[in-house]
Amino acid sequence: DAGVIQSPRHEVTEMGQEVTLRCKPISGHDYLFWYRQTMMRGLELLIYFNNNVPIDDSGMPEDRFSAKMPNASFSTLKIQPSEPRDSAVYFCASSLPGEETQYFGPGTRLLVL
Amino acid sequence: DAKTTQPPSMDCAEGRAANLPCNHSTISGNEYVYWYRQIHSQGPQYIIHGLKNNETNEMASLIITEDRKSSTLILPHATLRDTAVYYCIVGYRGNTGKLIFGQGTTLQVKP
Repeated sequence: DAGVIQSPRHEVTEMGQEVTLRCKPISGHDYLFWYRQTMMRGLELLIYFNNNVPIDDSGMPEDRFSAKMPNASFSTLKIQPSEPRDSAVYFCASSLPGEETQYFGPGTRLLVL
Repeated sequence: DAKTTQPPSMDCAEGRAANLPCNHSTISGNEYVYWYRQIHSQGPQYIIHGLKNNETNEMASLIITEDRKSSTLILPHATLRDTAVYYCIVGYRGNTGKLIFGQGTTLQVKP
């Protein structure tokens, strides 16, 4: 099992540009989570999906952020337009229904200049 | 969701047991205690969870007090690779509850 796969691993972009982060959950996992980690705010849950449907997006910071899950094996987190304060590590995680364990990907390090 | 309180940092000698405490005095009856850790530059990793009984797996042991207001994660023989931030989280079983990560405890294992 390859685990949760995230791409790109590193992204450097300029303010105002669109950024798309990608995640492939572990096969068979019905839940997918997007987190953001910064030194100031720690690890925050942005949004999570169940069976491709967004369940709770209360952690999404503002309208510049959007997330989609078009199928069970792929999700995107998009920031448009990006701002320097969006610089962070973005993690994707997945889990099986009823299971206690969330499996995290390696993260995407985003730097917005 | 109940909140947790952990010491910001701890040291442990290599080969010794590391005992990481967590207070969760507002935990409700059906909330579980979960422990995750995050090694530098990696994603968080699940360690163990429990409801009221003590639990043990290949990584660690979890001791929950009878009143469930606090717990201790025990790494029986800490190694340098156990240096990480350890998060204690309380939440409902399954994924209807979210994992709310606090600041955690930074454990430094020293040779």
